[in-house]
Amino acid sequence: DTEVTQTPKHLVMGMTNKKSLKCEQHMGHRAMYWYKQKAKKPPELMFVYSYEKLSINESVPSRFSPECPNSSLLNLHLHALQPEDSALYLCASSPSVQETQYFGPGTRLLVL
Amino acid sequence: AQSVTQPDIHITVSEGASLELRCNYSYGATPYLFWYVQSPGQGLQLLLKYFSGDTLVQGIKGFEAEFKRSQSSFNLRKPSVHWSDAAEYFCAVGVLAAGNKLTFGGGTRVLVKP
Repeated sequence: DTEVTQTPKHLVMGMTNKKSLKCEQHMGHRAMYWYKQKAKKPPELMFVYSYEKLSINESVPSRFSPECPNSSLLNLHLHALQPEDSALYLCASSPSVQETQYFGPGTRLLVL
Repeated sequence: AQSVTQPDIHITVSEGASLELRCNYSYGATPYLFWYVQSPGQGLQLLLKYFSGDTLVQGIKGFEAEFKRSQSSFNLRKPSVHWSDAAEYFCAVGVLAAGNKLTFGGGTRVLVKP
């Protein structure tokens, strides 16, 4: 298995909802990442996990809460989002934090 | 802090013609450089990377890139473009000292004319 999978592909949520995005890889990678990509913009790093521990938080608002329950799985918990949080959320993984990142297909999020 | 500039927002090329996408970076040390491609609504696919060694790097789908330290550039080339190459292309610099943070350029959208 040489890919990063993300579910759901699309998500519509209200500003009072709680939802979660899921990312999974079975390549034995020990670093995982969340990126946010607004329309017609490049991806921007949100979080980095290395060996299931949070190593980088790029000053992301607390309404985004990452979780890494094991080495294959990365979640992004969403609560009380704003319409401006609507974007494509990309997950990536790499064998370690010193190696190439491989991206999943993304979850397209719309906040109403 | 590191930065990446892709001077061309859009490029239109005829099918079968050659393609060159420009990328300039700013970073105090030797960078790790990447080119990714993104089709509409999709994730990013790695085309090629440069860590060290030979400055001419071969990638997938017939792409190659050349690292020129003196010009702080890492331009992407393809000799003959196919219609399926229409996509957004991102150049990125990796900063391993900062936990492998990738900084992306603004992207270049490639349109392919029949």
